[in-house]
Amino acid sequence: TQLLEQSPQFLSIQEGENLTVYCNSSSVFSSLQWYRQEPGEGPVLLVTVVTGGEVKKLKRLTFQFGDARKDSSLHITAAQPGDTGLYLCAGLTQGGSEKLVFGKGMKLTVNP
Amino acid sequence: NAGVMQNPRHLVRRRGQEARLRCSPMKGHSHVYWYRQLPEEGLKFMVYLQKENIIDESGMPKERFSAEFPKEGPSILRIQQVVRGDSAAYFCASSPSKVNGETQYFGPGTRLLVL
Repeated sequence: TQLLEQSPQFLSIQEGENLTVYCNSSSVFSSLQWYRQEPGEGPVLLVTVVTGGEVKKLKRLTFQFGDARKDSSLHITAAQPGDTGLYLCAGLTQGGSEKLVFGKGMKLTVNP
Repeated sequence: NAGVMQNPRHLVRRRGQEARLRCSPMKGHSHVYWYRQLPEEGLKFMVYLQKENIIDESGMPKERFSAEFPKEGPSILRIQQVVRGDSAAYFCASSPSKVNGETQYFGPGTRLLVL
């Protein structure tokens, strides 16, 4: 069974602080996707990373895919209350069925 | 461009009843995936369908659950004789084609409550 471990699972910080979320696995994925989910809603795609070592930036968010395509990180600079939500990483299995394996998520609260 | 549509958004059923959850993929998307999210758990894959075909149902419970994606109309996830343990959020996702690394776009989910 392929597992994705996210850490930390919960984080409460003050506005303006920086944070990093980690997503680790012993399995190799063909790609990895980061989603943000708000209560009562579905996951909203933030980014897809495909190439080992790839770094993508989305405003204050920086995503990195590990060289071996087994892990990823999300770094948020100068967090804002609007960043509050559940951050999910999901790996796409290699070959055959294109199913996503999800981590349990990191629940972020940014206090004003 | 409308996103993935799911209905109903909320569904309440009594034990033993049937639940039908509908998913309309994004325009131009021919691949549909169903996931289940239990309270305090991550999303778990259930089934992957293309038009008129089930590609992978390895995440589906062996009994009471079925899924279809007909040539015309939405994909349906059907749960027969629901039990309290079926209470969860059910999400549908779609993608345009089977390309390695293709992004999946999620709908808002159907929250099923079994009384």
